[in-house]
Amino acid sequence: QKEVEQDPGPLSVPEGAIVSLNCTYSNSAFQYFMWYRQYSRKGPELLMYTYSSGNKEDGRFTAQVDKSSKYISLFIRDSQPSDSATYLCATGANSKLTFGKGITLSVRP
Amino acid sequence: EPEVTQTPSHQVTQMGQEVILRCVPISNHLYFYWYRQILGQKVEFLVSFYNNEISEKSEIFDDQFSVERPDGSNFTLKIRSTKLEDSAMYFCASSGGGGGGRLVSEQFFGPGTRLTVL
Repeated sequence: QKEVEQDPGPLSVPEGAIVSLNCTYSNSAFQYFMWYRQYSRKGPELLMYTYSSGNKEDGRFTAQVDKSSKYISLFIRDSQPSDSATYLCATGANSKLTFGKGITLSVRP
Repeated sequence: EPEVTQTPSHQVTQMGQEVILRCVPISNHLYFYWYRQILGQKVEFLVSFYNNEISEKSEIFDDQFSVERPDGSNFTLKIRSTKLEDSAMYFCASSGGGGGGRLVSEQFFGPGTRLTVL
């Protein structure tokens, strides 16, 4: 079983839509959970970070973690064309981050 | 906002040659990392470095790879004898000690060095 699995894409939505991006992980030892945004041929940019079950909100973005089912989600409200990018979930326990494969989101004007 | 920087942005080398990829982490960070991303694949962990020594490394990080912090600002990844399969985007990241409520595990990535091995 892969350590971090992410819903395959790509995903295309109209501007203003609510976007839901999801990942599952297999290792119970993972303690912290991140979402990164990556534009084409650029480095991953840290969007959201959490280390506990529950929701964490930052502007239009909400990260949700359910440790009991090993499920992590990112919600984007009122999506904008500038949100078009690849979104990577990542999780870890010590110094190593394990990434999902990423999902490419396209927000149509 | 402070950023991780990497040079060069693109490196082309011949198979068997040595390459050194350079990174300047965020200035008051204490933990440093290298990751790589082969085109179309996941970002993969290579190595983490703290207090002038490797703290964790992956199976990918074999004897061909080494890391060094030669001075107070740079962090380098050396590949001794490059192979075709080393072609990838290499990302440096740093974390920890930044204050402002940031935790050690919040890793900030540089823009990457694209390594092409011919």
